[in-house]
Amino acid sequence: ELKVEQNPLFLSMQEGKNYTIYCNYSTTSDRLYWYRQDPGKSLESLFVLLSNGAVKQEGRLMASLDTKARLSTLHITAAVHDLSATYFCAVGAQKLVFGQGTRLTINP
Amino acid sequence: DSGVTQTPKHLITATGQRVTLRCSPRSGDLSVYWYQQSLDQGLQFLIQYYNGEERAKGNILERFSAQQFPDLHSELNLSSLELGDSALYFCASSVGINGGGETQYFGPGTRLLVL
Repeated sequence: ELKVEQNPLFLSMQEGKNYTIYCNYSTTSDRLYWYRQDPGKSLESLFVLLSNGAVKQEGRLMASLDTKARLSTLHITAAVHDLSATYFCAVGAQKLVFGQGTRLTINP
Repeated sequence: DSGVTQTPKHLITATGQRVTLRCSPRSGDLSVYWYQQSLDQGLQFLIQYYNGEERAKGNILERFSAQQFPDLHSELNLSSLELGDSALYFCASSVGINGGGETQYFGPGTRLLVL
């Protein structure tokens, strides 16, 4: 059974700092997704990573995938308050298996 | 706005009742997925339909059923409701069957409260 684990689950950081969220999964997959969820809202697609070594960047967020290590990272550069949200990674094709989510709070 | 619509936004009902949640996918998308989000279980995949046919099934209870209609909208039926069914139910859609890593676009969700 595929399991997806994120860490940390909670992250409080200051504006301007860098940090990384980690996503580990238990079985081989070359498809990994990152989503953002604001409180009480839906999930917004951030990145789709489809191969080993894939790296995608959008603004202050950069995601990478290492399929051999079964690990994806979401790196936040020079955080700003607007990035405060819960971030989920998900693995799979039709059946997405989600991690627990990382609740990120960025303080001024 | 993802283009996926769900109704109703909120639903309050009693134990033992039956409700129907409705989802319209993005224009052109043939796949519809249903997910349940709760505090204790997190986000869980329930079921996928592609062009009217069931294609993948997750941990969906026997009391729950879904279908996709010829106009591609989908309905999730929840019956004999229990307190533990209280959750946020999301619908998502994608263009194809999702064998190639397509993005699933999520709707705004239906918040169900069972009293």
